[in-house]
Amino acid sequence: DTAVSQTPKYLVTQMGNDKSIKCEQNLGHDTMYWYKQDSKKFLKIMFSYNNKELIINETVPNRFSPKSPDKAHLNLHINSLELGDSAVYFCASSQDMGLAGGEETQYFGPGTRLLVL
Amino acid sequence: GEDVEQSLFLSVREGDSSVINCTYTDSSSTYLYWYKQEPGAGLQLLTYIFSNMDMKQDQRLTVLLNKKDKHLSLRIADTQTGDSAIYFCAPKRYALNFGKGTSLLVTP
Repeated sequence: DTAVSQTPKYLVTQMGNDKSIKCEQNLGHDTMYWYKQDSKKFLKIMFSYNNKELIINETVPNRFSPKSPDKAHLNLHINSLELGDSAVYFCASSQDMGLAGGEETQYFGPGTRLLVL
Repeated sequence: GEDVEQSLFLSVREGDSSVINCTYTDSSSTYLYWYKQEPGAGLQLLTYIFSNMDMKQDQRLTVLLNKKDKHLSLRIADTQTGDSAIYFCAPKRYALNFGKGTSLLVTP
Protein backbone atom coordinates (compact mmCIF):
# COMPACT_ATOMS: atom_id res chain seq x y z
CA ASP A 1 0.00 0.00 0.00
CA THR A 2 1.28 3.43 -0.91
CA ALA A 3 2.03 5.46 2.21
CA VAL A 4 1.80 8.94 0.65
CA SER A 5 -0.05 9.22 -2.64
CA GLN A 6 -0.60 12.15 -4.94
CA THR A 7 -2.89 12.70 -7.89
CA PRO A 8 -2.45 13.42 -10.65
CA LYS A 9 1.06 12.27 -11.44
CA TYR A 10 1.26 14.55 -14.47
CA LEU A 11 -0.63 17.76 -15.09
CA VAL A 12 -0.36 19.80 -18.27
CA THR A 13 -2.45 22.94 -18.44
CA GLN A 14 -2.71 26.38 -19.96
CA MET A 15 -1.66 29.61 -18.31
CA GLY A 16 -4.48 31.24 -16.40
CA ASN A 17 -6.24 27.99 -15.49
CA ASP A 18 -7.04 26.85 -11.95
CA LYS A 19 -5.96 23.36 -10.91
CA SER A 20 -5.78 21.17 -7.82
CA ILE A 21 -3.35 18.50 -6.70
CA LYS A 22 -4.48 15.98 -4.11
CA CYS A 23 -2.44 14.25 -1.43
CA GLU A 24 -3.39 11.48 0.94
CA GLN A 25 -1.36 9.65 3.57
CA ASN A 26 -2.36 6.40 5.25
CA LEU A 27 0.36 6.47 7.90
CA GLY A 28 -1.73 8.08 10.60
CA HIS A 29 0.61 11.05 10.66
CA ASP A 30 -0.37 14.40 12.15
CA THR A 31 1.68 16.63 9.87
CA MET A 32 1.65 17.10 6.11
CA TYR A 33 3.71 19.28 3.80
CA TRP A 34 3.88 20.63 0.29
CA TYR A 35 7.24 21.17 -1.41
CA LYS A 36 8.11 22.62 -4.80
CA GLN A 37 11.09 21.25 -6.75
CA ASP A 38 12.20 23.39 -9.67
CA SER A 39 14.00 22.37 -12.84
CA LYS A 40 17.37 22.61 -11.07
CA LYS A 41 16.10 20.12 -8.45
CA PHE A 42 16.07 22.76 -5.69
CA LEU A 43 13.51 21.73 -3.10
CA LYS A 44 11.64 24.38 -1.13
CA ILE A 45 8.95 23.97 1.46
CA MET A 46 5.71 25.77 0.70
CA PHE A 47 3.30 24.80 3.46
CA SER A 48 3.00 22.62 6.50
CA TYR A 49 -0.18 21.53 8.25
CA ASN A 50 -0.40 19.91 11.66
CA ASN A 51 -3.74 18.35 12.56
CA LYS A 52 -5.46 20.37 9.86
CA GLU A 53 -3.94 23.66 11.03
CA LEU A 54 -1.54 25.72 8.95
CA ILE A 55 1.84 25.87 10.67
CA ILE A 56 4.35 26.91 8.01
CA ASN A 57 3.52 29.21 5.15
CA GLU A 58 6.65 30.21 3.32
CA THR A 59 6.72 33.08 0.88
CA VAL A 60 4.33 31.63 -1.64
CA PRO A 61 1.99 33.64 -3.89
CA ASN A 62 -1.54 33.69 -2.53
CA ARG A 63 -2.63 32.00 -5.76
CA PHE A 64 -1.57 28.84 -3.92
CA SER A 65 -4.05 27.70 -1.30
CA PRO A 66 -3.66 24.50 0.68
CA LYS A 67 -6.75 22.80 2.05
CA SER A 68 -6.81 20.07 4.66
CA PRO A 69 -10.26 18.47 4.96
CA ASP A 70 -8.89 15.99 7.51
CA LYS A 71 -5.48 15.12 8.82
CA ALA A 72 -4.96 12.40 6.20
CA HIS A 73 -5.41 14.80 3.29
CA LEU A 74 -3.70 17.98 2.19
CA ASN A 75 -4.71 19.32 -1.20
CA LEU A 76 -3.08 22.16 -3.09
CA HIS A 77 -5.19 24.47 -5.18
CA ILE A 78 -3.50 26.85 -7.61
CA ASN A 79 -5.35 29.77 -9.20
CA SER A 80 -4.38 31.62 -12.37
CA LEU A 81 -1.48 29.35 -13.23
CA GLU A 82 1.68 30.99 -14.53
CA LEU A 83 4.58 29.62 -16.56
CA GLY A 84 6.85 29.85 -13.50
CA ASP A 85 4.60 27.45 -11.62
CA SER A 86 5.92 24.61 -13.78
CA ALA A 87 7.73 22.29 -11.38
CA VAL A 88 7.37 19.03 -9.51
CA TYR A 89 5.24 19.33 -6.39
CA PHE A 90 5.84 16.88 -3.58
CA CYS A 91 3.59 16.11 -0.70
CA ALA A 92 5.11 14.65 2.47
CA SER A 93 3.98 13.63 5.92
CA SER A 94 5.56 13.04 9.31
CA GLN A 95 4.33 11.77 12.66
CA ASP A 96 4.49 15.25 14.09
CA MET A 97 6.39 18.43 13.41
CA GLY A 98 9.08 17.78 15.94
CA LEU A 99 8.89 21.45 16.82
CA ALA A 100 10.59 20.69 20.08
CA GLY A 101 13.61 19.69 18.02
CA GLY A 102 12.80 16.00 18.04
CA GLU A 103 13.30 13.48 15.26
CA GLU A 104 10.88 13.94 12.39
CA THR A 105 11.33 11.62 9.40
CA GLN A 106 9.27 12.82 6.48
CA TYR A 107 7.73 10.42 3.99
CA PHE A 108 7.38 11.76 0.49
CA GLY A 109 4.84 11.13 -2.21
CA PRO A 110 5.92 10.36 -5.79
CA GLY A 111 5.41 13.93 -6.97
CA THR A 112 3.11 15.72 -9.39
CA ARG A 113 4.79 17.06 -12.50
CA LEU A 114 3.05 20.28 -13.44
CA LEU A 115 3.68 21.88 -16.82
CA VAL A 116 2.08 25.21 -17.59
CA LEU A 117 1.97 26.14 -21.27
CA GLY B 1 18.53 25.90 0.73
CA GLU B 2 21.02 28.76 0.85
CA ASP B 3 21.90 27.89 4.46
CA VAL B 4 22.88 24.39 3.43
CA GLU B 5 25.58 23.92 0.83
CA GLN B 6 26.40 20.83 -1.17
CA SER B 7 28.46 20.36 -4.30
CA LEU B 8 26.11 19.77 -7.20
CA PHE B 9 27.78 16.82 -8.93
CA LEU B 10 29.89 13.80 -8.06
CA SER B 11 30.99 11.02 -10.38
CA VAL B 12 32.54 7.76 -9.15
CA ARG B 13 33.30 4.37 -10.58
CA GLU B 14 31.38 1.32 -9.53
CA GLY B 15 32.99 -0.34 -6.53
CA ASP B 16 34.67 2.85 -5.29
CA SER B 17 33.57 4.80 -2.25
CA SER B 18 31.55 7.99 -2.66
CA VAL B 19 31.71 10.86 -0.22
CA ILE B 20 29.05 13.55 -0.37
CA ASN B 21 29.71 16.64 1.70
CA CYS B 22 27.39 19.19 3.23
CA THR B 23 27.97 22.37 5.21
CA TYR B 24 25.26 24.17 7.11
CA THR B 25 24.92 27.34 9.13
CA ASP B 26 22.42 26.57 11.89
CA SER B 27 24.46 25.30 14.82
CA SER B 28 21.23 24.53 16.69
CA SER B 29 20.32 21.75 14.26
CA THR B 30 19.29 18.76 16.35
CA TYR B 31 18.91 16.06 13.71
CA LEU B 32 20.65 15.94 10.35
CA TYR B 33 19.16 13.85 7.59
CA TRP B 34 20.23 12.41 4.27
CA TYR B 35 17.53 11.82 1.70
CA LYS B 36 17.90 10.10 -1.68
CA GLN B 37 15.91 10.94 -4.79
CA GLU B 38 16.00 8.50 -7.68
CA PRO B 39 15.07 9.74 -11.16
CA GLY B 40 11.37 10.48 -11.46
CA ALA B 41 10.66 9.58 -7.85
CA GLY B 42 10.06 11.23 -4.52
CA LEU B 43 12.59 11.56 -1.74
CA GLN B 44 13.26 8.69 0.60
CA LEU B 45 15.06 8.79 3.91
CA LEU B 46 18.48 7.16 3.82
CA THR B 47 19.71 7.83 7.30
CA TYR B 48 19.99 10.52 9.95
CA ILE B 49 22.27 11.41 12.81
CA PHE B 50 21.53 13.06 16.11
CA SER B 51 23.61 16.14 16.79
CA ASN B 52 25.33 14.70 19.85
CA MET B 53 26.87 11.93 17.74
CA ASP B 54 29.86 12.28 15.47
CA MET B 55 29.46 9.10 13.49
CA LYS B 56 26.76 6.68 12.50
CA GLN B 57 27.19 3.55 10.40
CA ASP B 58 24.40 1.73 8.65
CA GLN B 59 25.55 -1.08 6.33
CA ARG B 60 27.29 0.64 3.38
CA LEU B 61 26.49 4.11 4.68
CA THR B 62 28.64 6.09 7.10
CA VAL B 63 27.60 9.52 8.30
CA LEU B 64 30.19 11.81 9.85
CA LEU B 65 29.26 14.96 11.71
CA ASN B 66 31.66 17.72 12.68
CA LYS B 67 29.54 20.06 14.76
CA LYS B 68 32.31 22.54 15.31
CA ASP B 69 32.79 23.05 11.58
CA LYS B 70 29.08 22.45 10.81
CA HIS B 71 30.05 19.81 8.30
CA LEU B 72 28.16 16.63 7.52
CA SER B 73 29.24 13.91 5.14
CA LEU B 74 27.76 10.73 3.73
CA ARG B 75 30.09 7.96 2.65
CA ILE B 76 28.76 5.15 0.50
CA ALA B 77 31.05 2.15 0.41
CA ASP B 78 31.27 -0.11 -2.66
CA THR B 79 29.11 2.26 -4.70
CA GLN B 80 26.78 0.55 -7.16
CA THR B 81 25.09 1.86 -10.30
CA GLY B 82 21.80 1.71 -8.40
CA ASP B 83 23.18 4.37 -6.06
CA SER B 84 23.03 6.92 -8.89
CA ALA B 85 20.58 9.52 -7.62
CA ILE B 86 20.39 12.96 -6.05
CA TYR B 87 21.34 13.10 -2.38
CA PHE B 88 19.93 15.84 -0.17
CA CYS B 89 21.39 16.95 3.11
CA ALA B 90 18.70 18.29 5.49
CA PRO B 91 19.60 19.63 8.92
CA LYS B 92 16.67 20.18 11.20
CA ARG B 93 16.05 22.51 14.07
CA TYR B 94 12.32 23.26 13.89
CA ALA B 95 11.85 22.20 10.27
CA LEU B 96 13.89 20.40 7.62
CA ASN B 97 16.14 22.71 5.63
CA PHE B 98 17.12 20.96 2.41
CA GLY B 99 20.37 21.57 0.59
CA LYS B 100 20.36 21.85 -3.19
CA GLY B 101 21.25 18.19 -3.63
CA THR B 102 24.29 16.38 -5.01
CA SER B 103 23.78 14.38 -8.19
CA LEU B 104 25.79 11.18 -7.88
CA LEU B 105 26.65 9.39 -11.09
CA VAL B 106 28.10 5.90 -10.80
CA THR B 107 29.83 4.63 -13.91
CA PRO B 108 30.62 0.97 -14.65
